[in-house]
Amino acid sequence: EAGVTQFPSHSVIEKGQTVTLRCDPISGHDNLYWYRRVMGKEIKFLLHFVKESKQDESGMPNNRFLAERTGGTYSTLKVQPAELEDSGVYFCASSQAPGLRADTQYFGPGTRLTVL
Amino acid sequence: GENVEQHPSTLSVQEGDSAVIKCTYSDSASNYFPWYKQELGKRPQLIIDIRSNVGEKKDQRIAVTLNKTAKHFSLHITETQPEDSAVYFCARYGGATNKLIFGTGTLLAVQP
Repeated sequence: EAGVTQFPSHSVIEKGQTVTLRCDPISGHDNLYWYRRVMGKEIKFLLHFVKESKQDESGMPNNRFLAERTGGTYSTLKVQPAELEDSGVYFCASSQAPGLRADTQYFGPGTRLTVL
Repeated sequence: GENVEQHPSTLSVQEGDSAVIKCTYSDSASNYFPWYKQELGKRPQLIIDIRSNVGEKKDQRIAVTLNKTAKHFSLHITETQPEDSAVYFCARYGGATNKLIFGTGTLLAVQP
C-alpha cells in the first residue's frame, strides 16, 4: 500500500510569491489533515478535510492560506502571498475512520518551505 | 489549555540504557495519545499509542504509561540502540475535533 505522498519535497521562494503544496492521501482515506512545523516548535494543526468538505480549519493562520480538496482525493495548500514567517515543514496526514473517532493518522514526508 | 508540554527537549543516553520522555496535558476530554518517531529527513511514524481506558501498553522495547488523573503520559524505551536516535513527539487527541495536538518534540541521541 502506498503511503501519503507530498510534492514538492522542498520549495524556496521569495517573499510575496505564491506556492502550492500538494498532498495525495492513502487511497480510501476520507480524512485528510494539514499540519505545519516551524523550526524547533511543535507540529501544529492547520485544517482537516472529510472527503471534500472542510471539517475544521481553526488552525489556518490567516487568509493567505487556502486549502482545497476537490473531488475528495488529493489536496492542495496554497500560500499567497508568502511571508517570511510561513517558512517551515508542511505535513499532510490521512486517516480512515469516519466521524469523531480517534484513528491512526499516517503522515507524509513533508514539504520544506523556505521563504526568503 | 490546549497545549501538550513535553520534556526533556533533548536526551542523550548510552546504548543499552533506558530513555523516558514525559508529556502533560490539561484537557480532560483527551482520550487517545499517540507517539510519533521522526528520523532525520523522514516522515513522522506512529510507534505506539494508548487510549484512555488503559494505563499501560507495551510493544517489545517500547512502553507507554498513562495517568489520566494526573493528566500525564510517558514513553519508555529500554535497551536503547543507535537506530532509536530520532525526534519523538507525543500528541493527544480528543474533545470535539479530530486534530492531533503535539508536544514540542524530544531529540533522542543514543551514543554507541
